[in-house]
Amino acid sequence: QKEVEQNSGPLSVPEGAIASLNCTYSDRGSQSFFWYRQYSGKSPELIMSIYSNGDKEDGRFTAQLNKASQYVSLLIRDSQPSDSATYLCASQESGNEKLTFGTGTRLTIIP
Amino acid sequence: GAVVSQHPSRVICKSGTSVKIECRSLDFQATTMFWYRQFPKQSLMLMATSNEGSKATYEQGVEKDKFLINHASLTLSTLTVTSAHPEDSSFYICSARPLMGGQNEQYFGPGTRLTVT
Repeated sequence: QKEVEQNSGPLSVPEGAIASLNCTYSDRGSQSFFWYRQYSGKSPELIMSIYSNGDKEDGRFTAQLNKASQYVSLLIRDSQPSDSATYLCASQESGNEKLTFGTGTRLTIIP
Repeated sequence: GAVVSQHPSRVICKSGTSVKIECRSLDFQATTMFWYRQFPKQSLMLMATSNEGSKATYEQGVEKDKFLINHASLTLSTLTVTSAHPEDSSFYICSARPLMGGQNEQYFGPGTRLTVT
């Protein structure tokens, strides 16, 4: 069974610091990975996608992928209170459009 | 770009009635849309994959006769919850994957909060 695992948190980070969110996946056939942000009572919003090993940066966000270790992470630099949300990690197998979601990590940025 | 809308955003209905939820991709076409359900403090649960021009594919444990899905065009999918009961009360969210550009990303609609009384 394909699984995506995340630490449920809550993860508390001081404002201005770096928040580090981690995710592991069990299916070696997974090729695409996504980070979604979900505010309470709202639907998920795509933050980052990553397909290749290494780092991908977009503004304050950096996604990191290590396929050998089956590990995906999201770094948020200069954390802001507005970053407080649940972050969902998702994987996608090549040729399969379905996403497998982790249970999410609740992040709280402390002013 | 990549905007997905849902209607209604919130609905309250009586037990035994049916409710239709619409999911539209506003600025892109999507042959595939997905329907999820999310209970409070839980993660997303995929209910079904909606395919334009063909029958939907339901996940294990999801009753296809209760949750009717119609993917009428490349920009519209509907989910009808038939004979709704209080246990169907949940947050229903659709997502769509753009047809063009080779993108794998899925974009979510704002969700529909269903309350069955």
